[in-house]
Amino acid sequence: ETGVTQTPRHLVMGMTNKKSLKCEQHLGHNAMYWYKQSAKKPLELMFVYSLEERVENNSVPSRFSPECPNSSHLFLHLHTLQPEDSALYLCASSQVFGGQIEQFFGPGTRLTVL
Amino acid sequence: GESVGLHLPTLSVQEGDNSIINCAYSNSASDYFIWYKQESGKGPQFIIDIRSNMDKRQGQRVTVLLNKTVKHLSLQIAATQPGDSAVYFCAETIYNTDKLIFGTGTRLQVFP
Repeated sequence: ETGVTQTPRHLVMGMTNKKSLKCEQHLGHNAMYWYKQSAKKPLELMFVYSLEERVENNSVPSRFSPECPNSSHLFLHLHTLQPEDSALYLCASSQVFGGQIEQFFGPGTRLTVL
Repeated sequence: GESVGLHLPTLSVQEGDNSIINCAYSNSASDYFIWYKQESGKGPQFIIDIRSNMDKRQGQRVTVLLNKTVKHLSLQIAATQPGDSAVYFCAETIYNTDKLIFGTGTRLQVFP
C-alpha cells in the first residue's frame, strides 16, 4: 500500500451505533488530519495531530472522538451521530516543521447516518 | 476573517480548449497556495503550488497565477482533456502553520 488509505470506504450507521473510521499513511509523515466534506461546502478541518499530539480541534462535537496511536495511524470514533453528520470524511497527512506543507489525502469514507 | 472562495461553481469547456479556474482569498498573510483536483469517489490530489514570492508557476499543462495585489489566484489548464473533469479546490496557508483553508470548489466539465 502506498500513500494514504482509509477504511471503510462506505459506512451506513444508525444514530445509536458506535463505529470507527481508520486512516493509515505510508509516507513517513509526522502530521495527520481529519476533514469533513459536505455537499456545497468547503472542506472543514476537524482535527490535527502533529507528532502524535492533538494540536487542533475545531469545535467538533464530542460525538466525534479522534485517536492517534502512532504517526502512521489515525482513527475517528463515532457514537450517537446525527443525520447531518452524513458526509465524506477525509484523512490527510503531511510533513510539518520544515518539510512539505502539501497535504496528501486518502480516498475518504462516505458516511451515511440514518 | 480568513476565507478562500471560488468565483464559478461550474465551468464547462470543450475538449482541447484552455480552462481557467479562479479563486479569491482574503488573508493577506497567506504565503502559500495549493490547487487540488478531486475526482468523483476520490480524495483531493495535489496539482500545483505557488509561494507568495512568485506570481507564476508552470507544471505539465497547468499554470498557476498569483496576483497578491487583488488577492487572486487562478489555475490554467491547457488543452483540456476529458480526464480533467473534476472539482478543483484552491487552498491557502500561512508559513509555519499546518492549517490549510480550502475554498468551496469549482466543478470542471469537459465536453467533446
